[in-house]
Amino acid sequence: TQLLEQSPQFLSIQEGENLTVYCNSSSVFSSLQWYRQEPGEGPVLLVTVVTGGEVKKLKRLTFQFGDARKDSSLHITAAQPGDTGLYLCAGAVGSNYKLTFGKGTLLTVNP
Amino acid sequence: DAGITQSPRHKVTETGTPVTLRCHQTENHRYMYWYRQDPGHGLRLIHYSYGVKDTDKGEVSDGYSVSRSKTEDFLLTLESATSSQTSVYFCAISESPAGVHEQYFGPGTRLTVT
Repeated sequence: TQLLEQSPQFLSIQEGENLTVYCNSSSVFSSLQWYRQEPGEGPVLLVTVVTGGEVKKLKRLTFQFGDARKDSSLHITAAQPGDTGLYLCAGAVGSNYKLTFGKGTLLTVNP
Repeated sequence: DAGITQSPRHKVTETGTPVTLRCHQTENHRYMYWYRQDPGHGLRLIHYSYGVKDTDKGEVSDGYSVSRSKTEDFLLTLESATSSQTSVYFCAISESPAGVHEQYFGPGTRLTVT
């Protein structure tokens, strides 16, 4: 069983601050996804990274896939209250069509 | 947003009763999944399907069964509900190339077993 460790588990910051959350594993992933989940809703896909070292930007969110494809990070610049939510990373191994999910980082951005 | 609906959205049932949750998609995606989400455990895969009548177990399949008789519908049945099955259940669909399995989730079903 592949494990994805996310850190920190909880993060509470003020509006305008920057933050980084991490997703780490000992397994090599063929792809890694980041999702955001708001209370009472299902997770929503934010981004998929496939290539080692890949960086993708989505407005104020920057996603990076580690060179060895075992880890990833999500950086948010100038966080806003609308960024509040549970951030989940999930990885696929080889051609396996199942995803392994981390337990998530619960982010609260205070106005 | 992917066209995924789940029914019912909320259900309260008694221990020992059978319960069936439905996932319906309008995207014609091949893969469908059932997860449960619990505090401290994250999302855990119950069962998944890789085609009509093709299903397999996930990591927490005990006490659950599934059926997929047509592409658009994936049913999850709790054969005899127990309090440990109180949870939020999510259905997901995927139609991505091998190794890039982006999943799209439904809104969830909150199940309480009393």
